Amino acid sequence: KAGVTQTPRYLIKTRGQQVTLSCSPISGHRSVSWYQQTPGQGLQFLFEYFSETQRNKGNFPGRFSGRQFSNSRSEMNVSTLELGDSALYLCASSLEVQGQGYTFGSGTRLTVV
Amino acid sequence: KNEVEQSPQNLTAQEGEFITINCSYSVGISALHWLQQHPGGGIVSLFMLSSGKKKHGRLIATINIQEKHSSLHITASHPRDSAVYICAVRSINGNKLVFGAGTILRVKS
Repeated sequence: KAGVTQTPRYLIKTRGQQVTLSCSPISGHRSVSWYQQTPGQGLQFLFEYFSETQRNKGNFPGRFSGRQFSNSRSEMNVSTLELGDSALYLCASSLEVQGQGYTFGSGTRLTVV
Repeated sequence: KNEVEQSPQNLTAQEGEFITINCSYSVGISALHWLQQHPGGGIVSLFMLSSGKKKHGRLIATINIQEKHSSLHITASHPRDSAVYICAVRSINGNKLVFGAGTILRVKS
């Protein structure tokens, strides 16, 4: 059974550009959530999608957005990149059934220069 | 004050020692997760708890809902257990995960 797949693994962008990251969940998982990890702030919740609907959003500016497609694949977009957006971006999928945990992808390492 | 506090921040142990990592939280939760992150970034979900105790191999996780506290125990620790262990709680209102800062564990042979 394939795990959670995130693409690309590494990305270098310039300040002011935009970026789109992709996450393919485990087959059958309908919930996808996104997280940002930086050395200073640790892991922080970005947003969560279930059946193409955003269920919740963390405390990030509107430059951070996402969506989920009918096949449960999700994308997140960051516009007008800032140096501080350099981070490891992780997504996780889950069944959303009581007692089920999360399966994380390997992450996308974004560097903004 | 952070909603999720972990202790200790850093822990060095000798191979074979019994290890305990603690997590305290201040919000109402629907579930608590223990995660393991190895160098390179990959995160593995170890346990999801809403009450009581769970065991998987040498790992044991407990939670006390009344005291808002959870512990992760590693028995007979091994150098391959060296990793960052992260506690995360799923808030009962917000339906999102809030993370602790993590505990850096190093097990020496």
